[in-house]
Amino acid sequence: EPEVTQTPSHQVTQMGQEVILRCVPISNHLYFYWYRQILGQKVEFLVSFYNNEISEKSEIFDDQFSVERPDGSNFTLKIRSTKLEDSAMYFCASRVGGSSYEQYFGPGTRLTVT
Amino acid sequence: KQEVTQIPAALSVPEGENLVLNCSFTDSAIYNLQWFRQDPGKGLTSLLLIQSSQREQTSGRLNASLDKSSGRSTLYIAASQPGDSATYLCAVRRPVGTSSNTGKLIFGQGTTLQVKP
Repeated sequence: EPEVTQTPSHQVTQMGQEVILRCVPISNHLYFYWYRQILGQKVEFLVSFYNNEISEKSEIFDDQFSVERPDGSNFTLKIRSTKLEDSAMYFCASRVGGSSYEQYFGPGTRLTVT
Repeated sequence: KQEVTQIPAALSVPEGENLVLNCSFTDSAIYNLQWFRQDPGKGLTSLLLIQSSQREQTSGRLNASLDKSSGRSTLYIAASQPGDSATYLCAVRRPVGTSSNTGKLIFGQGTTLQVKP
């Protein structure tokens, strides 16, 4: 069964460094999302992406964050200058579009900022 | 602003018991509601999706119901097994046609279930 994949599974970085989290959505899906979950807290929406542009972003998604779909398969989240409070599990999700609204999530990347 | 709440935060039951997890949301104008399972340190696995026009959905031992007018959903798990131990999350989506409606999900904090053998 097709699934969303994410790499790396765990990333450790120093404060101020740039990180890129990678996702490969399900191949025929058209809508892409990033969510994050700080330890012990709710899963929070960050950004949605459709037709090669951001369609919605949350107040968390400030200028330090960016997303890109550099080719036909990858979907990336970049954090330019990481902060301690960016430590969280980051989930990528996708959905096919049309009348199907079910979102499929990847296994997540645990980001630890030291 | 939509808020999603799940009660209880944690639940421990003996194997074989039938149980109900609750999810409530403050704005009844939703498009759909999705239940997920999350194992420790893992991703989210979609269990059931209920459209706002539906009252319930079933998959195996799971049954999810939706009462949109009262802002509630329940996830019923029949004959629970130790393998059901996980955190269960519900998430709602705004109606199609609202501004910036892109499928953003708003999550509850989850109910952590432990099924003891």
